[in-house]
Amino acid sequence: SQTIHQWPATLVQPVGSPLSLECTVEGTSNPNLYWYRQAAGRGLQLLFYSVGIGQISSEVPQNLSASRPQDRQFILSSKKLLLSDSGFYLCAWSRGGYTYEQYFGPGTRLTVT
Amino acid sequence: QKEVEQDPGPLSVPEGAIVSLNCTYSNSAFQYFMWYRQYSRKGPELLMYTYSSGNKEDGRFTAQVDKSSKYISLFIRDSQPSDSATYLCAIPVLSGGSYIPTFGRGTSLIVHP
Repeated sequence: SQTIHQWPATLVQPVGSPLSLECTVEGTSNPNLYWYRQAAGRGLQLLFYSVGIGQISSEVPQNLSASRPQDRQFILSSKKLLLSDSGFYLCAWSRGGYTYEQYFGPGTRLTVT
Repeated sequence: QKEVEQDPGPLSVPEGAIVSLNCTYSNSAFQYFMWYRQYSRKGPELLMYTYSSGNKEDGRFTAQVDKSSKYISLFIRDSQPSDSATYLCAIPVLSGGSYIPTFGRGTSLIVHP
């Protein structure tokens, strides 16, 4: 069966510090990968998605970046965090092709102080 | 007009009630519809997906699509306190050559004993 891991679960970082969130998927190959942010009381905002190694599409221009160094690994980064980067970050995967169901990780709750 | 719209609620019902959760969408070409459940501080989990029109049933849950009205519904029979969560609808939307699930804001459901 497939499993998706995200870490850390919670993170408190000062403004201006760097960020690295990691997501890995087990039990499948060549998944589509996604990073979402969910602010309190709001919907899911798609940040990045990837349909293959080295292929990253950005939905929202901001101070975040994503990389996919391996087939089942997706990393979200920032060089300098802003207060507005606080939120619940979710990684998800899907099989791709003509299937659209996504499977989400447990999320990382980021607080920028 | 947003592509997927959903009333955020909260919707509060007594245990045992039939719950109706709804979304509207903008593009009549959409064919694939998904429902997710998200417990507080957790990642969303896929509940059901439907293709084109009609109903799909899974236990106490029924997903319904009305393409003429561009309206999708999720019905929960015999609701339980454990159903208390946020329910999100999602529809794949073409973006940059890939179909990416676009989520509604989610409806918060509270089932009280």
